[in-house]
Amino acid sequence: DVQMTQTTSSLSASLGDRVTISCRAGQDISNYLNWYQQKPDGTVQLLIYYTSRLHSGVPSRFSASGSGPDYSLTISNLEQEDLATYFCQQGNTLPFTFGSGTKLEI
Amino acid sequence: QIQLVQSGPELKKPGETVKISCKASGYTFTDYSMHWVKQAPGKGLKWMGWINTETGEPTYAEDFKGRFAFSVVTSASTAYLQIINLKNEDTATYFCAKRGLTTAHFDYWGQGTTLTVSS
Repeated sequence: DVQMTQTTSSLSASLGDRVTISCRAGQDISNYLNWYQQKPDGTVQLLIYYTSRLHSGVPSRFSASGSGPDYSLTISNLEQEDLATYFCQQGNTLPFTFGSGTKLEI
Repeated sequence: QIQLVQSGPELKKPGETVKISCKASGYTFTDYSMHWVKQAPGKGLKWMGWINTETGEPTYAEDFKGRFAFSVVTSASTAYLQIINLKNEDTATYFCAKRGLTTAHFDYWGQGTTLTVSS
């Protein structure tokens, strides 16, 4: 299985800040990297797919980049509603695997 | 708008069976596969497998072979997850998630169904 590593388990930031969350794959995943947001109530939504493509309805303050095994998600101008846990997921190889998550505290 | 609405919380005893539903709306159900994801309490997300909603053929991740079964009723645009011979370690929230059009991402998720297995 492809191991997905999010080395930062929690991150504290202030409103208006810019934060970056990292994710590393155990092997090249050819940009098949997706980012999800899980709110405190448990609901999950897709933010970014295929490394940098913004899902419909997601605010433009979310952006992402990466290649090979290394990927990152950037949230600009942090808002209170961004309080959540962020997971990366690789879609290159079965079984699909997720990172362990980065909890963002505002 | 696209919605996946899952059935409510379940409390079961070890050895029992549970069936969780996921009703889809806002798109053509059979055009996209449905995936299932497990989240144990305080843990991350684990992909369980998927079902071809057109043919009903399931594919299970290794850890979910044997006691787990995916099914669909296309006329009701509903996917199901059944778990038999429940164990304490099945206690988790289970999500259904619709696969996106192109790459292997999950563009819409159900709200999750919490299963508690306890004697």
